[in-house]
Amino acid sequence: AQRVTQPEKLLSVFKGAPVELKCNYSYSGSPELFWYVQYSRQRLQLLLRHISRESIKGFTADLNKGETSFHLKKPFAQEEDSAMYYCALTGSARQLTFGSGTQLTVLP
Amino acid sequence: SAVISQKPSRDICQRGTSLTIQCQVDSQVTMMFWYRQQPGQSLTLIATANQGSEATYESGFVIDKFPISRPNLTFSTLTVSNMSPEDSSIYLCSGIEAAEQYFGPGTRLTVT
Repeated sequence: AQRVTQPEKLLSVFKGAPVELKCNYSYSGSPELFWYVQYSRQRLQLLLRHISRESIKGFTADLNKGETSFHLKKPFAQEEDSAMYYCALTGSARQLTFGSGTQLTVLP
Repeated sequence: SAVISQKPSRDICQRGTSLTIQCQVDSQVTMMFWYRQQPGQSLTLIATANQGSEATYESGFVIDKFPISRPNLTFSTLTVSNMSPEDSSIYLCSGIEAAEQYFGPGTRLTVT
């Protein structure tokens, strides 16, 4: 069975501080990992995916197969980064399995 | 990118009644899904909506409770049948286009 774990339900950091949102997964094959973000009063949207290996809005995430992790990082948090972040994985069937989400609050 | 709309955006329904949620995509998508997000919880997949055939349901979800239609590549409906207060959730549809999954804004259902 596939599972995604986000251990932090809430995370607060000050503006300009580094931020790391943790994500661990279990999957028997080779999954694709994603980070989705939901800003207040907006729909869920893709932030980044591991196969793209890109930085979006200053965020990066590296897939660590040994530790089965896909942590989301940003060196300098901004107030506009405050949102709900979901880690998710998909296998061959293409449907997403989501983690429980982390509510990030960036304080001024 | 695909733009997905849902109707209604929210509704308050009495227990025992049924509600049909519509999902419209502005382009043809290869796959469509329905998810549920219960209060304070994450998204859970209900089913994959298959064009022209019966939906594929996840464990814990059955067709009699959540009948789904997908008559073409841009439209799907989810019905929540014989509702109870436990069905109060946000229901989201999604579609895959060019290997990216896009989400609708959700339908917030409250059952009294």
